[in-house]
Amino acid sequence: AQSVTQLGSHVSVSEGALVLLRCNYSSSVPPYLFWYVQYPNQGLQLLLKYTSAATLVKGINGFEAEFKKSETSFHLTKPSAHMSDAAEYFCAVSAGQGFQKLVFGTGTRLLVSP
Amino acid sequence: EPEVTQTPSHQVTQMGQEVILRCVPISNHLYFYWYRQILGQKVEFLVSFYNNEISEKSEIFDDQFSVERPDGSNFTLKIRSTKLEDSAMYFCASRSDSNNQPQHFGDGTRLSIL
Repeated sequence: AQSVTQLGSHVSVSEGALVLLRCNYSSSVPPYLFWYVQYPNQGLQLLLKYTSAATLVKGINGFEAEFKKSETSFHLTKPSAHMSDAAEYFCAVSAGQGFQKLVFGTGTRLLVSP
Repeated sequence: EPEVTQTPSHQVTQMGQEVILRCVPISNHLYFYWYRQILGQKVEFLVSFYNNEISEKSEIFDDQFSVERPDGSNFTLKIRSTKLEDSAMYFCASRSDSNNQPQHFGDGTRLSIL
């Protein structure tokens, strides 16, 4: 079985500051890990994915995440926050290939102040 | 870029009525999913569908729910007799058959049960 824990339901940063959103996972098999972003009244947009290749994954909009097996973590970072980054961010895990479902964390709302 | 489309964007229904939520997955995708998100909660898996049959379903997906792919393009979720607690945002997702490919989500249907 898989599960995801996202620490911090809300994270506040100033524009230009580092963004760090935390995600820890649990999986009985080698996991595939994803970060999705949800803007108000919109669906889930894929930011980036880890599928057992490079442990440092670069995504869209300047975000990246590092898979650390020893820490069972997949934290999302961005060096410099922009006002447009304000949204809800979801970390998700799946068991890998095939029709495996995504198991989502509870989400972290990122607030960006001027 | 191809996208998953869902209709309607908002559905208001009286309790006890049947409702059908519609999705058009990306055309060359073979795996299909429904998720729901109750207001303020995390995204939850409902069902996955492959090769014209359900491949996995959650405990939420009881006998009141059914899915169908009536033609080559649509993928529907039917709730037979809606309850107040069915009020949620319902997301459709699809994925290609290629390894390491992520699920792509639609913008969702907001279902409100009165």
